[in-house]
Amino acid sequence: GNSVTQMEGPVTLSEEAFLTINCTYTATGYPSLFWYVQYPGEGLQLLLKATKADDKGSNKGFEATYRKETTSFHLEKGSVQVSDSAVYFCALISFQKLVFGTGTRLLVSP
Amino acid sequence: EPEVTQTPSHQVTQMGQEVILRCVPISNHLYFYWYRQILGQKVEFLVSFYNNEISEKSEIFDDQFSVERPDGSNFTLKIRSTKLEDSAMYFCASSEDQETQYFGPGTRLLVL
Repeated sequence: GNSVTQMEGPVTLSEEAFLTINCTYTATGYPSLFWYVQYPGEGLQLLLKATKADDKGSNKGFEATYRKETTSFHLEKGSVQVSDSAVYFCALISFQKLVFGTGTRLLVSP
Repeated sequence: EPEVTQTPSHQVTQMGQEVILRCVPISNHLYFYWYRQILGQKVEFLVSFYNNEISEKSEIFDDQFSVERPDGSNFTLKIRSTKLEDSAMYFCASSEDQETQYFGPGTRLLVL
């Protein structure tokens, strides 16, 4: 069945460091891909999405490119801030339902 | 910016009791969903709902669960006889295109 695999966390970075959170997927066809973010004590917020191969989703300095050759959708940001500390979830859509990865916690220190 | 809201934010109940979790989806959205996240585990799909009917449900969504849209704004999840393992964060989501789903802040349910 369809599934999403994310890198284990936590990822600990200093402010202004470069961020990569790896995400790979297994799917039938080419589903739309998403990154959601969960800040402490809050719900899931849509961060970005990509609907087809080679699409790049971007928002708030974060980017992810839909790579069908490597079945990946890695999240990147050039310079993280303390306020980016959160849990990041990669997901794909399959028959109306979102299939999530396990989430990766990002901790950014000043 | 319109958002999905959920009430209550926290609910504590005794095993065997019924609970109703409430959601107000974004007003022009027609597709509604419930997900749950047991502490430390993945976010899991429970059910999707469209045009006053369940359109898909997971194996988790057994006979103790039900959903309803009792009026033009609310969307509810009822758990008839709660079990300890129902303790989780429950998220409501809505969508206008069946694909991009917007989530509420969640209800944390604790069953004692």
